[in-house]
Amino acid sequence: AIRMTQSPSSLSASTGDRVTITCRASQGISSYLAWYQQKPGKAPKLLIYAASTLQSGVPSRFSGSGSGTDFTLTISCLQSEDFATYYCQQYYSYPSVAFGQGTKVEIK
Amino acid sequence: QVQLVQSGAEVKKPGASVKVSCKASGYTFTSYYMHWVRQAPGQGLEWMGIINPSGGSTSYAQKFQGRVTMTRDTSTSTVYMELSSLRSEDTAVYYCATTSTPGYSSSSGWFDPWGQGTLVTVSS
Repeated sequence: AIRMTQSPSSLSASTGDRVTITCRASQGISSYLAWYQQKPGKAPKLLIYAASTLQSGVPSRFSGSGSGTDFTLTISCLQSEDFATYYCQQYYSYPSVAFGQGTKVEIK
Repeated sequence: QVQLVQSGAEVKKPGASVKVSCKASGYTFTSYYMHWVRQAPGQGLEWMGIINPSGGSTSYAQKFQGRVTMTRDTSTSTVYMELSSLRSEDTAVYYCATTSTPGYSSSSGWFDPWGQGTLVTVSS
């Protein structure tokens, strides 16, 4: 099974900061990677798919990059509403998919 | 708009079964595969399985083989996830989610939208 490892597990940042979260796959997954944002008590929300394609309606301060085994999610200018937990998901082995363990972005 | 609405919270005793429903609206129900994902308190997301609402075929994560059953009712555009032999470790929020592309498409296996989640608590 393909395992996804995110780093860091949590981070503290201030509004306006640039934030980068990384996701590493245990084997190559091409660009079959999505990113989600989850706020407490809510379902995950799709941000990015195909590693770098922004979902409709998602602010352009979010961006994704990478292919193969290493991926990044970048928030260019952190806003108050961006404090949440972020998950990566591989769908290379669809229908069996796997998620990273999550990265919690907290207010410094 | 596309919407998935799940059934309400459940409290079950160890050894019992639970059946969670997910009613779809705003799209052609039989065209989009449905997945189930769960999230234990304070933990990450765990994929459980997939059902084809058209023919009813299923595929389950190995961890849940023998304990999970996914079914659908095309007349009400509803899918169901039943988990048996419940134990405390099954306490979690259970989500249904569909893909954005119709049919079986490994190249578009991201989930959007998701249901609102159903909390299942297993406690004696």
